Amino acid sequence: DSGVTQTPKHLITATGQRVTLRCSPRSGDLSVYWYQQSLDQGLQFLIHYYNGEERAKGNILERFSAQQFPDLHSELNLSSLELGDSALYFCASSAPGGRGTGELFFGEGSRLTVL
Amino acid sequence: AQKITQTQPGMFVQEKEAVTLDCTYDTSDPSYGLFWYKQPSSGEMIFLIYQGSYDQQNATEGRYSLNFQKARKSANLVISASQLGDSAMYFCAMREGPNFGNEKLTFGTGTRLTIIP
Repeated sequence: DSGVTQTPKHLITATGQRVTLRCSPRSGDLSVYWYQQSLDQGLQFLIHYYNGEERAKGNILERFSAQQFPDLHSELNLSSLELGDSALYFCASSAPGGRGTGELFFGEGSRLTVL
Repeated sequence: AQKITQTQPGMFVQEKEAVTLDCTYDTSDPSYGLFWYKQPSSGEMIFLIYQGSYDQQNATEGRYSLNFQKARKSANLVISASQLGDSAMYFCAMREGPNFGNEKLTFGTGTRLTIIP
């Protein structure tokens, strides 16, 4: 158990719909990262929040948005869903202040299926 | 250019044999970190091993070791005495810059390792 919690674990929805994925980082971690993993693909970086502020953006579509709340949990909002958005969405956190190796601690992922 | 390259999409290895998974990286930053993660069929990402760019010795963690060749920009994962439970997808990843606790990792496309009984 990494200590990172993601909900829901599985989600099936239709094209054109909107969904929200939720992530709670490990206790004490200030950073939250979102990654997308399509079928048999590597992990594509979407966005990074640090203590409530957006720090870096990757290949995140305009239909997707995210935020990190004062309690440090984060939500990834996916709208106008398309079939190609079907993927495993990971949230990860990292220890603050350069402690440890900088490894990312991953949640179990939210598997989104768009029909 | 790809920052992390894993050239082996899939590998089949006999149980109890050693296996090397290749990873090359590209960065101009003198400070960086290299990571290996394992992803079993259940989907979770499991951290295996880390190598810092300034580390003089190759990292080891149990049956895992990282063959770090800085001049060649390679960071191959070596698994000794492979087990059936090692069958999984393996990802190499890199952090560019020093570890301040808020840097993303860039991942390779992964290698699917299958251990044959």
